[in-house]
Amino acid sequence: QVQLKESGPGLVAPSQSLSITCTVSGFSLTSYGVHWVRQPPGKGLEWLVVIWSDGSTTYNSALKSRLSISKDNSKSQVFLKMNSLQTDDTAMYYCARQGDLYYFDYWGQGTTLTVSS
Amino acid sequence: QIVLTQSPAIMSASLGERVTMTCTASSSVSSSYLHWYQQKPGSSPKLWIYSTSNLASGVPARFSGSGSGTSYSLTISSMEAEDAATYYCHQYHRSPPTFGAGTKLELK
Repeated sequence: QVQLKESGPGLVAPSQSLSITCTVSGFSLTSYGVHWVRQPPGKGLEWLVVIWSDGSTTYNSALKSRLSISKDNSKSQVFLKMNSLQTDDTAMYYCARQGDLYYFDYWGQGTTLTVSS
Repeated sequence: QIVLTQSPAIMSASLGERVTMTCTASSSVSSSYLHWYQQKPGSSPKLWIYSTSNLASGVPARFSGSGSGTSYSLTISSMEAEDAATYYCHQYHRSPPTFGAGTKLELK
């Protein structure tokens, strides 16, 4: 079955950078796009970036300078890198698969990122 | 970017009550690209209704969706306890994809 699972460092100091990994199973990254969405505590959903099946990318323009996405098709992994972290980057970070009509049909369980000194 | 405004922000309903929540877009969205997600505390969002009116797998038939242009809604014909959750609308008519702020539905 389709599964996505995020993994990340948990706690990062302000101004530092981080990398979060989304490991997928049950489908191929060469056939589906994968998005990153974050959710600050008690707040709504914010779209960050997508890596399409062909490897091209689209970024949230507000965060583009601090984000980088890549993937390893052979390992079924998608990588999100974010630099210059601030306290308002504290959030749950989800990866999600894009379905046929641009909905997000499968989501990971999320990985919590806390930015704090 | 397209802004989605959901109302009400919070609502409560009794068992068996009919529930309707709305999602208004700042510009017209194709109904094919307007979707809804359900999220319960401590869980990730789940695709609930796609392309305005199509129920995702496993979603009870008491749920329905409708709308066009800039105005969309999600309706529960008869509230059940398990329906208490936050519901988010989502558009991908135009990039960047955006989400509404959510409607939190509570059991009265």
